[in-house]
Amino acid sequence: AQSVTQLDSQVPVFEEAPVELRCNYSSSVSVYLFWYVQYPNQGLQLLLKYLSGSTLVKGINGFEAEFNKSQTSFHLRKPSVHISDTAEYFCAVNDNAGNMLTFGGGTRLMVKP
Amino acid sequence: KAGVTQTPRYLIKTRGQQVTLSCSPISGHRSVSWYQQTPGQGLQFLFEYFSETQRNKGNFPGRFSGRQFSNSRSEMNVSTLELGDSALYLCASSLGSGKETQYFGPGTRLLVL
Repeated sequence: AQSVTQLDSQVPVFEEAPVELRCNYSSSVSVYLFWYVQYPNQGLQLLLKYLSGSTLVKGINGFEAEFNKSQTSFHLRKPSVHISDTAEYFCAVNDNAGNMLTFGGGTRLMVKP
Repeated sequence: KAGVTQTPRYLIKTRGQQVTLSCSPISGHRSVSWYQQTPGQGLQFLFEYFSETQRNKGNFPGRFSGRQFSNSRSEMNVSTLELGDSALYLCASSLGSGKETQYFGPGTRLLVL
């Protein structure tokens, strides 16, 4: 069985500062990795995904993530955050041919002015 | 293209009742997945339907069921509602394989009294 751990439940950060949201997963097979963002009272929106190839993945809104197979990690980064980035961020994995995502517990990013 | 739509958006039921939630996927998408989101358990996979067949199933009791129609629209049903079924129910659609992005609807917020 696969599992996803998001090490920080909340991350406060000042506007224009860099941020890293951490994600570790466990799976015995190759996986596809995703980061989603959820704004209040909305569904989830895909930020970026890793399927194969280059381990550095760039997404929307200036976010990027790096896949590290040896550390089974997929940390999300942004060099300079904005107030509008305040939201909950979810890391997810999929290790089968269907669409069964296993999500981490989420990280609430709070950007302060 | 229109996004994933879910109806109703809000629902209040009492214990013991049953409820049916509806999800209309993005045009051309054949896979619909359902997730339950609660503050305590986070995001949990319920089931996935692909071409009218249940392809994957999460670890939920038999009170939770679903189906998919020939036009890919999906419904999920919860019978004999319990207080713990109060949650945001999200559906997501995709083209089909695990590599494809799942696009989420805004969710149906169910409150069981």
